[in-house]
Amino acid sequence: NAGVTQTPKFRILKIGQSMTLQCTQDMNHNYMYWYRQDPGMGLKLIYYSVGAGITDKGEVPNGYNVSRSTTEDFPLRLELAAPSQTSVYFCASSYQTGGWNQPQHFGDGTRLSIL
Amino acid sequence: GENVEQHPSTLSVQEGDSAVIKCTYSDSASNYFPWYKQELGKRPQLIIDIRSNVGEKKDQRIAVTLNKTAKHFSLHITETQPEDSAVYFCAAPTPGGSYIPTFGRGTSLIVHP
Repeated sequence: NAGVTQTPKFRILKIGQSMTLQCTQDMNHNYMYWYRQDPGMGLKLIYYSVGAGITDKGEVPNGYNVSRSTTEDFPLRLELAAPSQTSVYFCASSYQTGGWNQPQHFGDGTRLSIL
Repeated sequence: GENVEQHPSTLSVQEGDSAVIKCTYSDSASNYFPWYKQELGKRPQLIIDIRSNVGEKKDQRIAVTLNKTAKHFSLHITETQPEDSAVYFCAAPTPGGSYIPTFGRGTSLIVHP
């Protein structure tokens, strides 16, 4: 049981390049989330999904896109990378029904630098 | 104001002392309150959670208390050890009916040997 798996673990991008951060979970969770965490700061929600085919914006969605074609996968797309997107990105999943009442499980994160 | 306020932002204690971190929330309908520990360079991991039908929950040296009237919950760590040094985050449901959490800004706990 792998839990939440993120790839890659590290990446350096040049300004203006694009890339996709991969996230997959094997716990059959309905909810999936993408967060960014800047150094010494808390978690900011970028996008989330309540199930396959359904996504919604979080607190800081600008410059990112997501898709959820399957229950397991929730990739995060960066278009036209900017230095402000240098951060650690965490994917998380949880199973929610009847309200937010279950914990989130986090992946190990992707450390992304834009130079 | 923020949905979840967490204090203090940093906490420095001597090994063996107790540590208490407090979070306040705004939505009186909230009924689930987890605490996560994040070691340096690692992912956040759940260490304890509490639901609104209980006032306290313990797991060895860690406990969480909930005061629904005052809308706050606290993490208590007794007999602290250097390996307790980490950033701790609380979370509470975001008001408005969405099934997503709001995280506190985190508390950096430093336990001096």
